[in-house]
Amino acid sequence: AQKITQTQPGMFVQEKEAVTLDCTYDTSDPSYGLFWYKQPSSGEMIFLIYQGSYDQQNATEGRYSLNFQKARKSANLVISASQLGDSAMYFCAMGGASGGSNYKLTFGKGTLLTVNP
Amino acid sequence: DAGVIQSPRHEVTEMGQEVTLRCKPISGHNSLFWYRQTMMRGLELLIYFNNNVPIDDSGMPEDRFSAKMPNASFSTLKIQPSEPRDSAVYFCASSLKSSYNEQFFGPGTRLTVL
Repeated sequence: AQKITQTQPGMFVQEKEAVTLDCTYDTSDPSYGLFWYKQPSSGEMIFLIYQGSYDQQNATEGRYSLNFQKARKSANLVISASQLGDSAMYFCAMGGASGGSNYKLTFGKGTLLTVNP
Repeated sequence: DAGVIQSPRHEVTEMGQEVTLRCKPISGHNSLFWYRQTMMRGLELLIYFNNNVPIDDSGMPEDRFSAKMPNASFSTLKIQPSEPRDSAVYFCASSLKSSYNEQFFGPGTRLTVL
């Protein structure tokens, strides 16, 4: 079974600063994918970034980067130059690896990020 | 391109009534997922379909819940009879077996059972 743990219920950051949201995972699968989603107060779930377990480099997508440490089973999300619009709930999720047959996503409980002006 | 479409966006009903939630996945996607989100339990996968076939329904809470996918462009999640503890936001998501297996979520249906 796959398990995702997000230990920070809430985080605060000043506008324009960087922030790291923690995520640890547990799985016995040799191949897997890690995802981050953003859920603003409006409720929709927005995909941010993906990291495959065999990817050699950390994933980056604009101001988002994923600090993947496989030995520690962590997949932290780093948001650089925070903006007020980044205030939202952030979910880490685990699922199948790229091109695999496992489509299920297991989500963590989420971290509520508040960006202060 | 249109994203995942869900209807209704909000539903208020009384205990014991039947509730039907609808979802239209993104055209061309071959996997469809139903999730439920509550404060207490977070996001839970209820069921997922691949090529219109239910693959895993182990997350369906009980027999009161049923889901169908009669074709590639339509799915329903039905609760009969509904109970107050079913109050939640229900998301539908779809994906295509591709480089990311990324799931695209619909806007959700906020269900309130009185």
